[in-house]
Amino acid sequence: KAGVTQTPRYLIKTRGQQVTLSCSPISGHRSVSWYQQTPGQGLQFLFEYFSETQRNKGNFPGRFSGRQFSNSRSEMNVSTLELGDSALYLCASSLGGPLNTEAFFGQGTRLTVV
Amino acid sequence: AQSVTQLDSQVPVFEEAPVELRCNYSSSVSVYLFWYVQYPNQGLQLLLKYLSGSTLVESINGFEAEFNKSQTSFHLRKPSVHISDTAEYFCAVIGGGTSYGKLTFGQGTILTVHP
Repeated sequence: KAGVTQTPRYLIKTRGQQVTLSCSPISGHRSVSWYQQTPGQGLQFLFEYFSETQRNKGNFPGRFSGRQFSNSRSEMNVSTLELGDSALYLCASSLGGPLNTEAFFGQGTRLTVV
Repeated sequence: AQSVTQLDSQVPVFEEAPVELRCNYSSSVSVYLFWYVQYPNQGLQLLLKYLSGSTLVESINGFEAEFNKSQTSFHLRKPSVHISDTAEYFCAVIGGGTSYGKLTFGQGTILTVHP
């Protein structure tokens, strides 16, 4: 079965712009989580969606937002990009139980802000 | 809240030697524990997990980890490494009734296997 698909794989944006990243989960998975990975801060949780509802949120500013569609696909948006937003953004899908005991990750979107 | 500490940022080792990657966690609630592996320019792959039951868990490619509740540790071991094991390894925990999707990761350990 197909894995988690993230598009695009690479993005270059200018400071002040906004960006939208997409994640298609494994078929049948209803939970999608997003993480930011940087060399300095490591892997940090952004938010989690289940059945179009945000169930959990990390400590990121309001410039970071997301949504989930009825087919479980998810998007995250970052507005007013800053240089520090340069990172690998990973999404993970799972069946959606409260403890998500097996999350499957996509290959990530590498965002570079110049 | 949970936290995870991976005690070594880099571990160099020769091929066929044993290796141990150390992971300690802190949590006020019961947790589930995971090891993930990340190859260059790739996402994370689940290596193994501890949910309950036997404290020793194994992966299909020869890694094992032991959950030690008293020492709050979940160290990863392999008796004989291969060049192909070169990657970054992340220890992670999830716990608590409202931890939907929120894995807490350690800072990662880069394992480099030399010929």
